[in-house]
This record gives sequence, structure tokens and C-alpha cells, in this order.
Amino acid sequence: KNQVEQSPQSLIILEGKNCTLQCNYTVSPFSNLRWYKQDTGRGPVSLTIMTFSENTKSNGRYTATLDADTKQSSLHITASQLSDSASYICVVDELRTDKLIFGTGTRLQVFP
Amino acid sequence: DTGVSQDPRHKITKRGQNVTFRCDPISEHNRLYWYRQTLGQGPEFLTYFQNEAQLEKSRLLSDRFSAERPKGSFSTLEIQRTEQGDSAMYLCASNPGLGQSGENIQYFGAGTRLSVL
Repeated sequence: KNQVEQSPQSLIILEGKNCTLQCNYTVSPFSNLRWYKQDTGRGPVSLTIMTFSENTKSNGRYTATLDADTKQSSLHITASQLSDSASYICVVDELRTDKLIFGTGTRLQVFP
Repeated sequence: DTGVSQDPRHKITKRGQNVTFRCDPISEHNRLYWYRQTLGQGPEFLTYFQNEAQLEKSRLLSDRFSAERPKGSFSTLEIQRTEQGDSAMYLCASNPGLGQSGENIQYFGAGTRLSVL
């Protein structure tokens, strides 16, 4: 069982709409939770990074939330653009090993 | 461009051949990581270096795989006697390392896509 699970696996939305991606994790203890954006054929690019004590972090139209009690995080994208089409990967830092545990990602497609 | 460069971007090889990939991290970054990513999956950790020291290797890294970072700068990942199951994207990432200033962000290269025929 993957320690970081994301939903939905894929999502299609129209340009200008908002969407929310979910991440549930079992990694414990953890130090940080990250969201990365990965364009097809490219390496992941960091969007947000939250420590275990933070509840929210914004980066432009991207807002990440973290509930460490329920071990859930979400990434909210506001006013989507065509360039938002990518995979969004939730990543949790395992505290003991300092290792990043990656989710399988949510594939987002934004259509005009 | 994150500042981490990988070469080559694509590699096609026949089963049984050896391949070597190179990663040049951001120059002041002490830590360098190798990941493997298959289609539809997130990256999986392979190994990482603190300067020239290889500190951890995943069980995914069979004895056909070897990684080096001889001078604590660039790193190479070699796969010997390639198998079709080695086909994947191989990603390199770097970060400043413990005790360094700034957020602990791993900066990824664009990856090397390996296809084993």
C-alpha cells in the first residue's frame, strides 16, 4: 500500500474553473509535505512546501492545505489556465530517514 | 530551467548493453539524489549523496546499478546489462543539504528517458 495516495487519478476541467486535488498519507512521523507540478517529459517543479506545523501555503493561484491530525492535504488551483495541464504530485518527507515519499500524482487537463 | 542538468535527455539501447547517465546539480548544493519514474507513477528513490559520499541506496538499486559522485559535484548513474524493466525516466535532484539556508527544496532536472529494446 502506497504511503501517499492521491485522488482523483485524473481530472478534466474547463479553463477558468477552480479545482481541488487531494492527498492522504500514512507517513509518520513526517517533517514536510510538498506539492510538485510535473509537465509531461519534464522533471517535477516545487509548488509549495509546508512543515508539519503549517496549515496552509499559497503560491500564486495555488493554495495547499495540511491537516496533520487527519493526515490529509489538498491543493487548490484557482482560475485554471491551459498551462496548468500537468501532473500534480504530493510528497511527504519521512522524518526519520529524511527521504521523500512520492504519491502517484493527479493528472490534470485544462481544456479551453 | 531549475539549474539541474541531465544528459542525455533520451537514451535508446538494446537489452544487455551498459548505459551511463550524467547529472550536474546546482553548484552550491551538497546533496544529490537519483530517482526512477515509470509511466503513471511518482518518482521512486534510488540513492543520494552528501558531497561525494553515497549515504543511502534503495533496495531498487540492484547490483547492476552503480552511482558515483567523485568530486562532490556532478554524478553518474550506470546501469550494466540493461533489461527491458529498466525502461523509465531517471531523475536527478539536488538541494543545499542540512544546515544550509533556504527551504529544503529539491530541484529536479528534466530527466533521462531510457528505453531498453
